[in-house]
Amino acid sequence: EAGVAQSPRYKIIEKRQSVAFWCNPISGHATLYWYQQILGQGPKLLIQFQNNGVVDDSQLPKDRFSAERLKGVDSTLKIQPAKLEDSAVYLCASRKERGRYEQYFGPGTRLTVT
Amino acid sequence: GENVEQHPSTLSVQEGDSAVIKCTYSDSASNYFPWYKQELGKRPQLIIDIRSNVGEKKDQRIAVTLNKTAKHFSLHITETQPEDSAVYFCAAARSTSYDKVIFGPGTSLSVIP
Repeated sequence: EAGVAQSPRYKIIEKRQSVAFWCNPISGHATLYWYQQILGQGPKLLIQFQNNGVVDDSQLPKDRFSAERLKGVDSTLKIQPAKLEDSAVYLCASRKERGRYEQYFGPGTRLTVT
Repeated sequence: GENVEQHPSTLSVQEGDSAVIKCTYSDSASNYFPWYKQELGKRPQLIIDIRSNVGEKKDQRIAVTLNKTAKHFSLHITETQPEDSAVYFCAAARSTSYDKVIFGPGTSLSVIP
């Protein structure tokens, strides 16, 4: 079974620029998460999708962050414009079905904003 | 809002000794408590989990205990090995319409050969 795929793995941008991350979950996994992990901290949930619908985006800074999951499969997370404090690893995770809690994480995208 | 605290933030043990990491949670409706291990530069991976209807669970050298009354749970690693060195995250989740998971800040464990 292929794991969660993410791209790019690394990205360096200047503040006020835009950036987009892509995630392909494990096939058949209905739930998809985007987390922000700042160095030395635990993953912080940004947004959670159930199929192609958003079920939790309470911690997503909606003035600059957006995410979509077209057709309930792949997902993209966008930051526009980026700030210095957005420097972090952005992790995508997926889960097979509600009630089965194990999340499978992708390798993450390390974003550096200069 | 919901919160998970974790202690200690760093832990060093001699190889062969035991390591204990403790977490507390604020949401009394939480009923699932996973532990993730994250090696340097790698993704978090689930190592063990426990549900609220169980007080203890063991898997070889790893065990987790849960005290729902006190709202705390712990990870125990016995006979530690250098490859146990990593950051460990506890988390708490509740079965709601969207099964939200809250992660603790992590414990950096170093096992000294």
